[in-house]
Formats: sequence, C-alpha cells, structure tokens
Amino acid sequence: EVQLVESGGGIVQPGGSLRLSCAASGFTFSNYWMHWVRQAPGKGLVWVSRISTDGSATTYADSVKGRFTMSRDNAKNTLFLQMDSLRPEDTAVYFCVGGGGSNAPFDFWGQGTLVTVSS
Amino acid sequence: DIVMTQSPDSLAVSLGERATINCKSSQSVLYSSNNKNNLAWYQQKPGQPPKLLISWASIRQSGVPDRFSGSGSGIDFTLTISSLQAEDVAVYYCQHYASTPHTFGQGTKLEI
Repeated sequence: EVQLVESGGGIVQPGGSLRLSCAASGFTFSNYWMHWVRQAPGKGLVWVSRISTDGSATTYADSVKGRFTMSRDNAKNTLFLQMDSLRPEDTAVYFCVGGGGSNAPFDFWGQGTLVTVSS
Repeated sequence: DIVMTQSPDSLAVSLGERATINCKSSQSVLYSSNNKNNLAWYQQKPGQPPKLLISWASIRQSGVPDRFSGSGSGIDFTLTISSLQAEDVAVYYCQHYASTPHTFGQGTKLEI
C-alpha cells in the first residue's frame, strides 16, 4: 500500500522557519519525481515545488522562490521542505505528492500537514 | 504561466443525472512529442487529500468507476459523471502538468 506521511507542521511566527518531512512507503520512492502542493483553509490547490528523482533538480513557484528549499533522501525514502521567512499567506495544509515523471500526473497524495503562520 | 479556468464554480445535480465540468487552459497543454494532453482531473472530498481520477485528459485511473470520463484536447477539457451517485459529492479540480508551475483550476463544488 502506498503511503506518504507528512510531519513537521505547526504554528510559527511571521519570519520564522519550519521543516516539513514526508515519509514514503509502498512504492519505489527513488523512481518518482516528488512535489509539494498547498491548500489554504477553504481555498483551492496550489503547486509549490518539485524535485527530480535524484534530487539534482528543483523548481519552485514564484511565491516561494528564495524562501523554500526542497530536498530528498532516497536512502531513507524521505522528502523535505525547508520553509524560511514564513509569511501569513503561507498558512495552508501542505501535501506531499508523488508523480511519475517531470511532467506527469500526481499519482500519490499524503494526508497533509497544517502550517499556520501567525503572531 | 498557464492559467486553468473551470466552469461552473459550483453545480447541483440530481442523483442519477449527468454532471459536466469544464476546464479551459490559457494555452495548449498538448505535447507534440507524444501527442498527449498533459491534463488531469482530481476529486477532493471534505477532510481528504485529492485523488487522481483522470490523467492525460481521458485515461481513467484504476479503480475509478466508469461513470467518470474525461474528454477534450488542446485548451478545452470536460469531466463528465454520467449518473451522479451520492458519494460523488466533492470538489473537482483540473490541473495541467505540461510545464511548471503545474497550475490547478479554482475547483468546482459538486452537490446534490
């Protein structure tokens, strides 16, 4: 059974940092491009970032570029999102997502972890 | 960036009736290299993550009931539910994956 389990969410003040993790199981993690997608409370889905199978290539949405860093550890089947300089508008549920290729549909979704940026 | 626009924003359909959701992209999502449309449909029920229903505009995922179908090419796409069931109440999103950012439509809330 495919599982993606996010952790690391919580409440942080504006300007602060958080590191999200996503533990993957049930599929060959190293064969999948991975993404983060976020959803603000009551709002729609927004793609945040992606990383290549070997971690050598990353791409970010303009709204997070320079503040967020995505990485992966294929030996530990784990995905990360380092979030710095957080803003109130970053408040959202963050989903860890698996896709088959660089331009491919999003096959697997985690349950999400809530990040709240508030003073 | 490619902008995805869905219509309508919300839709009420009777049980057993047909539901149709439209999605329009600001530029073609048809890849000339493989002649495939880089377009997916997702279903999100309250409190749950999205679930992939349709990929490549018309390929139904394994386990998805055959009352769900996707069609269209280029910039205009449609998700059709042929006979609405109670468990189909959800928000539906289209998304392109032709290039980054892999933008989603704003969502269509389907109700009975």
